[in-house]
Amino acid sequence: NAGVTQTPKFQVLKTGQSMTLQCAQDMNHNSMYWYRQDPGMGLRLIYYSASEGTTDKGEVPNGYNVSRLNKREFSLRLESAAPSQTSVYFCAGRTSGRVDTQYFGPGTRLTVL
Amino acid sequence: QKEVEQDPGPLSVPEGAIVSLNCTYSNSAFQYFMWYRQYSRKGPELLMYTYSSGNKEDGRFTAQVDKSSKYISLFIRDSQPSDSATYLCATRRSNDYKLSFGAGTTVTVRA
Repeated sequence: NAGVTQTPKFQVLKTGQSMTLQCAQDMNHNSMYWYRQDPGMGLRLIYYSASEGTTDKGEVPNGYNVSRLNKREFSLRLESAAPSQTSVYFCAGRTSGRVDTQYFGPGTRLTVL
Repeated sequence: QKEVEQDPGPLSVPEGAIVSLNCTYSNSAFQYFMWYRQYSRKGPELLMYTYSSGNKEDGRFTAQVDKSSKYISLFIRDSQPSDSATYLCATRRSNDYKLSFGAGTTVTVRA
């Protein structure tokens, strides 16, 4: 099992450019999440998908859109990148059961110039 | 005010020392408490998972939750250089699977 995978690992954009961050999981997670991590701010939820076909806003959704393409894949799109979106982005999948929590991908480091 | 407050440190200790990490939270509805460990340039990984108040021990790690004071702690005994990482506390409500994270505390264990 690869777990939660993210592509690309690194990306540099110019202000105004668009891009899509890809996330895929092979752990049969129903729920998936996108976070950004900034120094001193911890992890902040951007969007989440409680199940295939549904998406909802998190704490910091402005400037982002998401697509839950199928159960395995959850993508995050920046339509017009801004320097304030420079961050490390993490995708996570939730597993339910006795220990119901989230498992994270390796992250995408994005710099917007 | 953030729902979960955590001192970002950094914290530097000698090998073998006890590491003590703490978080406070504001919402009494939080019922589940987690500690994640994040190595440099990696994703967070679940370290400890507890429900409601009490202690939980796993090897050299002990998690404590005091709901009356809204205080979460993680203790690392006999710390090793391999424990050098950022530790994030996280909480959630019973009927809501979104997690609220602290800012993370960066720990360095010196050999």
